[in-house]
Amino acid sequence: QVTLKESGPALVKPTQTLTLTCTFSGFSLTTSGMRVNWIRQPPGKAPEWLARIDWDGDRFYSTSLKTRLSISKDTSKNQVVLTMTNMDPVDTATYYCARLGIPGTYFDYWGQGTLVTVSS
Amino acid sequence: EIVLTQSPGTLSLSPGERATLSCRASQSVSSSSLAWYQQKPGQAPRLLIHGASYRATGIPDRFSGSGSGTDFTLTISRLEPEDFAVYYCQRYDSSPLWAFGPGTKVEIK
Repeated sequence: QVTLKESGPALVKPTQTLTLTCTFSGFSLTTSGMRVNWIRQPPGKAPEWLARIDWDGDRFYSTSLKTRLSISKDTSKNQVVLTMTNMDPVDTATYYCARLGIPGTYFDYWGQGTLVTVSS
Repeated sequence: EIVLTQSPGTLSLSPGERATLSCRASQSVSSSSLAWYQQKPGQAPRLLIHGASYRATGIPDRFSGSGSGTDFTLTISRLEPEDFAVYYCQRYDSSPLWAFGPGTKVEIK
């Protein structure tokens, strides 16, 4: 059974760095073809893809946010970590981690999400 | 960048009725790269359809997807009470690699 769960602060101040952790089970990021992503969704809006990390260590970032994002993995702990620098109130959103399906075109399993509010 | 638009924004229907949701792309999209998700309040999106027409594991057969090129459709043959939710289409293509449409809300009439 595949599960993912996000953890991190619920509130961050403007200009601070956000660090989120995705802890997953039911698959391994050492297995060929496995890829974990971060996706965010501002209140009342559509989801927005942020970043992806692959079993082989390849990383991909949203073009519009790549200067602020960093994604990493700890395969021994089955965790993927996202950092986002210079947080702004417009970054207030629910942040999800999600596994990419094998073809690489859709997200087959999602975490429950964690709401991050950016406010002073 | 391929932009997805969804219509209508809101669909007001009664249980038992048929729902037809549209997703239109600004440029042609490979059918294998089009997916649909359902999202209920306070929950994560749930994969319904991938490859434009293939139901994900465990999805009831009242959900079906069709279309090609720039026009795709999600059909719910007979609405059940649990089907009232927001539905998003999503495409895979060049940057941004994955993008979602703005969503269609299916509400109880």
